[in-house]
Amino acid sequence: ETGVTQTPRHLVMGMTNKKSLKCEQHLGHNAMYWYKQSAKKPLELMFVYNFKEQTENNSVPSRFSPECPNSSHLFLHLHTLQPEDSALYLCASSQEQGIGNQPQHFGDGTRLSIL
Amino acid sequence: AQSVTQLDSQVPVFEEAPVELRCNYSSSVSVYLFWYVQYPNQGLQLLLKYLSGSTLVESINGFEAEFNKSQTSFHLRKPSVHISDTAEYFCAVTNTGGFKTIFGAGTRLFVKA
Repeated sequence: ETGVTQTPRHLVMGMTNKKSLKCEQHLGHNAMYWYKQSAKKPLELMFVYNFKEQTENNSVPSRFSPECPNSSHLFLHLHTLQPEDSALYLCASSQEQGIGNQPQHFGDGTRLSIL
Repeated sequence: AQSVTQLDSQVPVFEEAPVELRCNYSSSVSVYLFWYVQYPNQGLQLLLKYLSGSTLVESINGFEAEFNKSQTSFHLRKPSVHISDTAEYFCAVTNTGGFKTIFGAGTRLFVKA
C-alpha cells in the first residue's frame, strides 16, 4: 500500500474510444505527476500539477488531457489514441514541487493497450 | 541540465552473490539522489536516498549506495542477493530546487537460483 491508488489497473480500448484514468492519493501531498512507461524506454514525465495548477506539460499530444480537481485526485482523459500509446501509465505524488529532498510516491499503474 | 546514466540495462546474478548496479549523473547544480525499485506489476518504490551528510546510505533490506561527488556516481550495492530482489532498479536525480527529477533508464536485476 503506497498511498497512491490508480484505477483501472488494466484498460483495453480501441483507437476511437474515450476513456479516463484515475489517480487518488491519501498522503496529503500537493504535487501530482503522470508518467508513461514503455518497454525499453526511460520513464517519460508527461504532466505535473502543484497545488492543482498545471506546472509542466512535456510536449504531450493533445489526445491526452489531464485534470486535477483537487490535490488528492488526478485524471488522464484519453481520446483517439494511437497504437504507440500502449504503455504503463504511472501516477505519482510528492509533498510539493520545489521540495527536492522529498521522494515521489507511485501508484501501481494502469496498463493501457490500444487495439 | 541534468542527466542520469545507468550503465547496465540488465544484470543477471546468482543467488547469494554480490551485485553492483551503476549510476552516473551530470548536473550543473547540487542534487539529491534516489534509488527506486519496481517489482513486476507494481509502481516504483523508494529504496534509499542521499540528501546530505554521510555519503553511504542504506536501505532496510540490505542495499546500500555511496555518493561519490568527484566521480558523479551513486552506485547501488548488495553483498548477497536473494531471488526476491529480482526487479528493475531506477536511479533518479533531483536538483536541490526540486523542480526537476530525472530518472535513469533502469537496470533489470535478475537473480538466478
